[in-house]
Amino acid sequence: EIVLTQSPATLSLSPGERATLSCRASQTVTSYLAWYQHKPGQAPRLLIYDASNRATGIPARFSGSGSGTDFTLTISSLEPEDFAFYYCQQRYNWPPTFGQGTRLEIK
Amino acid sequence: EVQLVESGGGLVQPGGSLRLSCVVSGLTFSGYEMIWVRQAPGRGLEWVSYITGSGTTVYYAESVKGRFTISRDDAKNSLYLQMNSLRGDDTAIYYCAREGTSYFLDYWGQGALVTVSS
Repeated sequence: EIVLTQSPATLSLSPGERATLSCRASQTVTSYLAWYQHKPGQAPRLLIYDASNRATGIPARFSGSGSGTDFTLTISSLEPEDFAFYYCQQRYNWPPTFGQGTRLEIK
Repeated sequence: EVQLVESGGGLVQPGGSLRLSCVVSGLTFSGYEMIWVRQAPGRGLEWVSYITGSGTTVYYAESVKGRFTISRDDAKNSLYLQMNSLRGDDTAIYYCAREGTSYFLDYWGQGALVTVSS
């Protein structure tokens, strides 16, 4: 099973700042990696798929990069609604696995 | 409007059973793979079970194998999870989600809370 390790566990930033979230895989997942945003009490939302493709309706301030084992989700300028939990997920190998999440909180 | 609505959660004693349902509307259900994902209190997301678009192939996480059964009814745009022999570590919010053409989960429900406790 591929283990995804996200860092940092918690990221404290202010609106308008740039956020950089990391996801590292225990073995290659090529580009079969996605990022999800999750707010408590709501449905998780797909942000990025195939490492760098924005899902339908996702604002351009969200971008993904990386391949192989190291991936990054960048939010260029934080909006108040961006403070949430973020998870990466791989679909390269069975079973599909998620990272443990990064909490993005308001500083 | 796209909706995936889970139901059937609740409080159950250890060893008991529950059946979760997920009704899908506003998007294509038939032919798409569907998945159940759960989130235990204070934990991250965990894949639980997966069913192919045809319904002929299913997969389970080791932690639920032999106790949970996934199924679907395309005529009702519905996904199900029969959960038997429930344990305390099954306590979680259970989400249904559709696996899109990108092989990632493009639509999710808001979840159903399952609490296993005496």
